[in-house]
Amino acid sequence: KNEVEQSPQNLTAQEGEFITINCSYSVGISALHWLQQHPGGGIVSLFMLSSGKKKHGRLIATINIQEKHSSLHITASHPRDSAVYICAVRRDDKIIFGKGTRLHILP
Amino acid sequence: NAGVTQTPKFQVLKTGQSMTLQCAQDMNHNSMYWYRQDPGMGLRLIYYSASEGTTDKGEVPNGYNVSRLNKREFSLRLESAAPSQTSVYFCASSDRTENYGYTFGSGTRLTVV
Repeated sequence: KNEVEQSPQNLTAQEGEFITINCSYSVGISALHWLQQHPGGGIVSLFMLSSGKKKHGRLIATINIQEKHSSLHITASHPRDSAVYICAVRRDDKIIFGKGTRLHILP
Repeated sequence: NAGVTQTPKFQVLKTGQSMTLQCAQDMNHNSMYWYRQDPGMGLRLIYYSASEGTTDKGEVPNGYNVSRLNKREFSLRLESAAPSQTSVYFCASSDRTENYGYTFGSGTRLTVV
């Protein structure tokens, strides 16, 4: 079993829909990252969080340490949000990555 | 612009050839990492360096060597390239503080024929 599991693996939605991507992990962590990778490969760090909730524009990330679970929400989704979203957990000096969720927003 | 600079962007090697991937960051981060990304596998850690002068193996270190030349630079060397090393390679750096998170280079697409 992978230490970091993301769901769903693939998600297609209409523009404007509220999007939720989930991440569950099975190890003790000091922080969790959400990353975005657009077609063509560039990887951007969206959030790093160790508790509670963070918001940046239309993106919201939450984490529940007790339940070992995090969610990434996108409000009012737009085709430019189409990308792979990757959850990663920090354990000591190492990062363990999920396999990503491929999101496709249709206009 | 501040960030992680990774070179080259593309490379084709013949089996057995050697090459070094270069990575430099100008954010004064202590930690630097090399990952490979393969279809269906996600990002896998090859080597990392928690601070200048230290390096440690990650999940898939075989066939690679690294050098943390100074705080800014962390290079990855393939001594004798193999087709199994065909992949996209990413360098990254991070700071332990809450505000900085994780910064990636733009990636190197390596093909070994």
